[in-house]
Amino acid sequence: DIVMTQTPLSLSVTPGQPASISCKSSQSLLHSDGKTYLYWYLQKPGQSPQLLIYEVSSRFSGVPDRFSGSGSGTDFTLKISRVEAEDVGVYYCMQGIQHPITFGGGTKVDIK
Amino acid sequence: EVQVMQSGAEVRKPGESLKISCKGSGFTFASYWIAWVRQMPGKGLECLGVFNPADSYAIYSPSFQGQVTFSVDKSVTTAYLEWSSLKASDTAMYYCTRVTGAYNRFDYWGQGTLVTVSS
Repeated sequence: DIVMTQTPLSLSVTPGQPASISCKSSQSLLHSDGKTYLYWYLQKPGQSPQLLIYEVSSRFSGVPDRFSGSGSGTDFTLKISRVEAEDVGVYYCMQGIQHPITFGGGTKVDIK
Repeated sequence: EVQVMQSGAEVRKPGESLKISCKGSGFTFASYWIAWVRQMPGKGLECLGVFNPADSYAIYSPSFQGQVTFSVDKSVTTAYLEWSSLKASDTAMYYCTRVTGAYNRFDYWGQGTLVTVSS
């Protein structure tokens, strides 16, 4: 199985400040088709997870442009340029290249 | 509008069976795989597996192989997750999600079904 490791476990951010979450995979997520199958999800308190970023850096429909994803191979980063109160919750990375599909352990973001 | 709607919370005793549902609307149901994801209380996300409603082909995660069964009724655009004999450790929130693309983009999620197994 591909192991997904997220850091930090938690993050407390002042509104308007940036935030960054790291995700590392135990194997490369680069497919022979040239795409990398790494996704980011946000689970807001009491809600279902929602897709933020797909294939490392593409924002899903309706996702604000303060969210950005980057990385390659086995190392990935989710950045929030200016954190807002509505961004609180747990962020998960997920690999979709190989079954079983696996998630990182999650990073809890709250507001200072 | 794409919607994924799950059945309501369930309470069962250990050893009982259960089938929960996931209804898709606003898209061509048989053209998209469905994934099932578990979230145990206070814990992270785990994928049980993915399922193709078009031909009922399923890929179960090894941890869940033999523990659950995926099925579908295409006539009512509904997928199902079933247990034949529940354990207390099956207590969790279960999400279904539409899968887009060949490599498992989970794009639209249901609201979740809370399953509680207790004697």
